[in-house]
Amino acid sequence: DAKTTQPTSMDCAEGRAANLPCNHSTISGNEYVYWYRQIHSQGPQYIIHGLKNNETNEMASLIITEDRKSSTLILPHATLRDTAVYYCIVRVASNYGQNFVFGPGTRLSVLP
Amino acid sequence: DSGVTQTPKHLITATGQRVTLRCSPRSGDLSVYWYQQSLDQGLQFLIQYYNGEERAKGNILERFSAQQFPDLHSELNLSSLELGDSALYFCASSVDGRLEAFFGQGTRLTVV
Repeated sequence: DAKTTQPTSMDCAEGRAANLPCNHSTISGNEYVYWYRQIHSQGPQYIIHGLKNNETNEMASLIITEDRKSSTLILPHATLRDTAVYYCIVRVASNYGQNFVFGPGTRLSVLP
Repeated sequence: DSGVTQTPKHLITATGQRVTLRCSPRSGDLSVYWYQQSLDQGLQFLIQYYNGEERAKGNILERFSAQQFPDLHSELNLSSLELGDSALYFCASSVDGRLEAFFGQGTRLTVV
């Protein structure tokens, strides 16, 4: 699986958009970008994933650059409950030996 | 609520003992993953099963073993426990290994 690079920490004001970047310059053509978050020792929560196109769901938007070497997770209106560690993972979608490799992630603090 | 159930939520045991952690995946999910998260450490992948078969193995100690039963629930067995085994143990499930995984709330194991 390709390695990812994320900022160690970020702050965001409540009500503003939180833009979390992720670099994955060695991503392969068949690897997806997944985002998870973990709120203080709870189980990681799936947010969104994509391959090439931008994706949006009720939680967030995922913007993937055209060369797929980086992506940005956008939380459009951050709330205090969005304070968490956010993980960017790249992974082949396969039933054989492809687990989710979690790096250190980005610790997002949403400030009142 | 992710739909993944882990029991027990908390477990305190002595060194040298053996414990079993249980995971019930979401209805319809065939794949189960186990992860370990020590205090202030990242999520470490242990093992994955798909429909009863082992599909991937990570940094799982020889003292640890797992299995997935015909009803698709999974158990993680930890034996000869050491203080360093104290951690959160998470189970995740997915429809199959190609899709996003959903995590349970974890079992907090304390070895004293």
